[in-house]
Amino acid sequence: DIQMTQSPSSLSASVGDRVTITCRASQGINNYLAWFQQKPGKAPKSLIYATSTLQRGVPSKFSGSGSGTEFTLTITNLQPDDFATYYCQQYNNYPRTFGQGTRVEIK
Amino acid sequence: EVQLVDSGGGLVHPGESLRLSCVASGFTFSTYWMTWVRQAPGKGLEWVATINEDGSQKKYVDSVKGRFTISRDNAKNSLYLQMDSLRAEDTALYYCATRAGAPADWGQGILVTVSS
Repeated sequence: DIQMTQSPSSLSASVGDRVTITCRASQGINNYLAWFQQKPGKAPKSLIYATSTLQRGVPSKFSGSGSGTEFTLTITNLQPDDFATYYCQQYNNYPRTFGQGTRVEIK
Repeated sequence: EVQLVDSGGGLVHPGESLRLSCVASGFTFSTYWMTWVRQAPGKGLEWVATINEDGSQKKYVDSVKGRFTISRDNAKNSLYLQMDSLRAEDTALYYCATRAGAPADWGQGILVTVSS
């Protein structure tokens, strides 16, 4: 199975900040990498697929990049609505696997 | 607008069975692969199973192989997860989602609790 490791596990940031979350795969995944946002008590929301393509309706403040085994999610101009847990997921192989999540908290 | 409505969860004893349902609307269900993802209390997301458009291809995480069965009824725009021989570690919120790769749309989730 492909292991997905996110860093950091949590971070504190202020409104207006730019934050970056890293996701590393244990082997190459051909850029089949997705990002999700989840708020407490809610279903996940899909943000990005294929490493850098925004899902419909997702604002451009979210961006994804990377290749090979290292990928990043960047959020600019952090707003109160962005404080949540973010997950990466590879879909190059079965079983699909998720990172452990990164909790973005208000400083 | 895509809508996925999950149902069928509840409290069961270890070894018992449960069937989850997900009714889809707002898109052509019969042309989409569909997926179940679960989340244990306070934990991260775990992919469970995926099925192709006509139900002829099914994939499962190892921990549920032989116990869970994913299926669909395209005439009813419905996705199912038959869960047999349930274990305490199957306790989770179960979400249905569109697509096999990067899930695009998600149901609201349905809670399954396995406890004696």
